[in-house]
Amino acid sequence: NAGVTQTPKFQVLKTGQSMTLQCAQDMNHNSMYWYRQDPGMGLRLIYYSASEGTTDKGEVPNGYNVSRLNKREFSLRLESAAPSQTSVYFCASSGTGVIDTQYFGPGTRLTVL
Amino acid sequence: QKEVEQNSGPLSVPEGAIASLNCTYSDRGSQSFFWYRQYSGKSPELIMSIYSNGDKEDGRFTAQLNKASQYVSLLIRDSQPSDSATYLCAVTRRGGYSTLTFGKGTMLLVSP
Repeated sequence: NAGVTQTPKFQVLKTGQSMTLQCAQDMNHNSMYWYRQDPGMGLRLIYYSASEGTTDKGEVPNGYNVSRLNKREFSLRLESAAPSQTSVYFCASSGTGVIDTQYFGPGTRLTVL
Repeated sequence: QKEVEQNSGPLSVPEGAIASLNCTYSDRGSQSFFWYRQYSGKSPELIMSIYSNGDKEDGRFTAQLNKASQYVSLLIRDSQPSDSATYLCAVTRRGGYSTLTFGKGTMLLVSP
């Protein structure tokens, strides 16, 4: 099992450009999440999907959109990138059992110039 | 607003010592507690989870939970240089669906 995979690993954008971060999991998990991590700010939830077909805003959703393409895949889109979106982005997934353990992907390091 | 507080550190301990990492949380409805380890440039990985008051041991790691004091800690015995990392505390409510709230993490440095 690959677990949670993310593409790309690194990306540099210019202000105003758009891009989509891809995430896939092979653990048959129902729930998936997108976080950003900035120095001194910790992990902050952008969007999550409790199950296939549903998405909800997290703590910092502005400037982002998401798509739960199917049970395996959850993408994050930046429509018009801004320097404030320079960050490391992590995707995570979890099952729906009593234990809410989240498993993280390797991350995407995004720089917006 | 739900908050999880951790001392940012760094916490420096010599090899072989016990490292004690602390976390407090504001939401009294929190019932599930997690410790993640994050090496520099890597993603968080789960070390321990704890749901009941008291201690839970797993190898060199012991998680301690006190819900009355809204306090959770992680003890690392016989600390090794490979334990040098940032440790993230995360909490969530149990039952139904809820999201994790993470602390900002404590950096641990274990010197040989």
